[in-house]
Amino acid sequence: GAVVSQHPSRVICKSGTSVKIECRSLDFQATTMFWYRQFPKQSLMLMATSNEGSKATYEQGVEKDKFLINHASLTLSTLTVTSAHPEDSSFYICSARRGEVRNEQYFGPGTRLTVT
Amino acid sequence: GQNIDQPTEMTATEGAIVQINCTYQTSGFNGLFWYQQHAGEAPTFLSYNVLDGLEEKGRFSSFLSRSKGYSYLLLKELQMKDSASYLCAVSGDYKLSFGAGTTVTVRA
Repeated sequence: GAVVSQHPSRVICKSGTSVKIECRSLDFQATTMFWYRQFPKQSLMLMATSNEGSKATYEQGVEKDKFLINHASLTLSTLTVTSAHPEDSSFYICSARRGEVRNEQYFGPGTRLTVT
Repeated sequence: GQNIDQPTEMTATEGAIVQINCTYQTSGFNGLFWYQQHAGEAPTFLSYNVLDGLEEKGRFSSFLSRSKGYSYLLLKELQMKDSASYLCAVSGDYKLSFGAGTTVTVRA
């Protein structure tokens, strides 16, 4: 299989604090991982592409200093939401790409972030 | 960039067939994916098309016409558990761009 995990599944934090979300590929190596954000009843919006050992590539409009991404190994990428505000409350989903040929991404179960 | 359109909602009866259309305009094309997403959960992979034609996988089939920028997902023998959002996603430059999703409601 191709299993991707995320931790935590839910987190509530106070405004101004930082939150770290982990994304792991459990049974395969992922040179590329992606971070998405999904607001209620909307589709997934790509935030950034994370490549192992290099800096993440952010989509237009996404603040790289606010959403810190680290892809330290072939099985782990982390997203840190710094100085979180209520408008950052969302469903954050990561995905990992297993191969180049089919270009298929496997999604983690998502992290529900609520900022109070 | 990518522009992906799909209907917002569809309703069908248990046991029936539903076809979800997706049209796209893309600056690069590496394939088209369909995902199923239940509320509050991550998307799960349904199908992948990179060449023109029909891909069949059990009750679900997906069709692609690259020249027309068109795809559809066909759900047969609908079951109540098929009630979900169905996302059309286009891979361009090896990144996925998602449509807004089609919410399918299956009624008894």
